[in-house]
Amino acid sequence: DTGVSQDPRHKITKRGQNVTFRCDPISEHNRLYWYRQTLGQGPEFLTYFQNEAQLEKSRLLSDRFSAERPKGSFSTLEIQRTEQGDSAMYLCASPGGDTQYFGPGTRLTVL
Amino acid sequence: QQPVQSPQAVILREGEDAVINCSSSKALYSVHWYRQKHGEAPVFLMILLKGGEQKGHEKISASFNEKKQQSSLYLTASQLSYSGTYFCGTETAGGSYIPTFGRGTSLIVHP
Repeated sequence: DTGVSQDPRHKITKRGQNVTFRCDPISEHNRLYWYRQTLGQGPEFLTYFQNEAQLEKSRLLSDRFSAERPKGSFSTLEIQRTEQGDSAMYLCASPGGDTQYFGPGTRLTVL
Repeated sequence: QQPVQSPQAVILREGEDAVINCSSSKALYSVHWYRQKHGEAPVFLMILLKGGEQKGHEKISASFNEKKQQSSLYLTASQLSYSGTYFCGTETAGGSYIPTFGRGTSLIVHP
């Protein structure tokens, strides 16, 4: 257990539905990252927060994706109108010092 | 720019050594190494910062050659628990704090 939690751990949804994931980072960590990982690939960067400010967004993050981090604490990642290509593991990471702490991930399956 | 890892896969017997390489086409500020077991989140192993410092973690160590833009992960006297996929994540010099991950090296240790 790294101290980073994600909820839910698994989500199965039908194409076209909206889904929202939550990440609770380690409380004193200012930065928070979201990644997506598909089978056989390394994590791909989606977006990055410094406190409540969203500082970077990947081109992978289409307009169907939105992320928030109100008050610089937990973060949510929402995917609207899900597509089968959105099926992946969504990882949250909370770096502290020289260490990058990943949460357990949310596995999304879009049917 | 995604770093390139080699080899793609390694099969060892317990007690044997292995080296996994990570190279980038861009000047690097740091290299991170992770191990991921099937169905789990990546676990941080170590970070190497610009300066060519070699680091160690139990029987796992790594080097960073800044001039060659390369890092190598050394696994000595491998144990069954070392099995998994190893990823390097690189941050480019002058870039934002966003690690870009390689495609991974699958390591299988047999008894």
